[in-house]
Amino acid sequence: DAGITQSPRHKVTETGTPVTLRCHQTENHRYMYWYRQDPGHGLRLIHYSYGVKDTDKGEVSDGYSVSRSKTEDFLLTLESATSSQTSVYFCAIRDREMGGYTFGSGTRLTVV
Amino acid sequence: GESVGLHLPTLSVQEGDNSIINCAYSNSASDYFIWYKQESGKGPQFIIDIRSNMDKRQGQRVTVLLNKTVKHLSLQIAATQPGDSAVYFCAESGTASKLTFGTGTRLQVTL
Repeated sequence: DAGITQSPRHKVTETGTPVTLRCHQTENHRYMYWYRQDPGHGLRLIHYSYGVKDTDKGEVSDGYSVSRSKTEDFLLTLESATSSQTSVYFCAIRDREMGGYTFGSGTRLTVV
Repeated sequence: GESVGLHLPTLSVQEGDNSIINCAYSNSASDYFIWYKQESGKGPQFIIDIRSNMDKRQGQRVTVLLNKTVKHLSLQIAATQPGDSAVYFCAESGTASKLTFGTGTRLQVTL
């Protein structure tokens, strides 16, 4: 997906454990986003970044933290995973030339 | 809060017919709208976008119409093909940085 790589693609973890998802881009875009997708809710914004060390909360940020220490990587951390965080997580970049947002392939996270 | 929604959760059309997917938005300050297509197991793919200073924009087999008076957005797909089967999302942005998505419409193309 146009220079965006998410890892891992799938993960199963236990309740209470920390989990970090990684988004890597190769195109030097300033804006990066983390969304979660659940049935009946569409995609909801968790956190986003508008530059290195510049991040802000989205509509469903509780239980999540993010870090962006370099332009190409945007990390999403679940400090203590809960079953309600079982979801598909998508990273996106904002491509000004395209006008829209380009999404990664997603990470399916299951919290048991 | 502000939200974007869709009128029809599932749309079934015959191959070759035109499809129309509708979307209502509630944020009158939104100035940028995008349609995405999502196939099973994949991330959303950009289809077409439109800014609030336009009411129509055409792409290859797709047209987006924007009616700001009633806050309504539609996606028209001409000569629908089996490969068009997917979930379609509208999204809106009132700022330069964040998108709000609707819940999606599933398009089923029958032969």
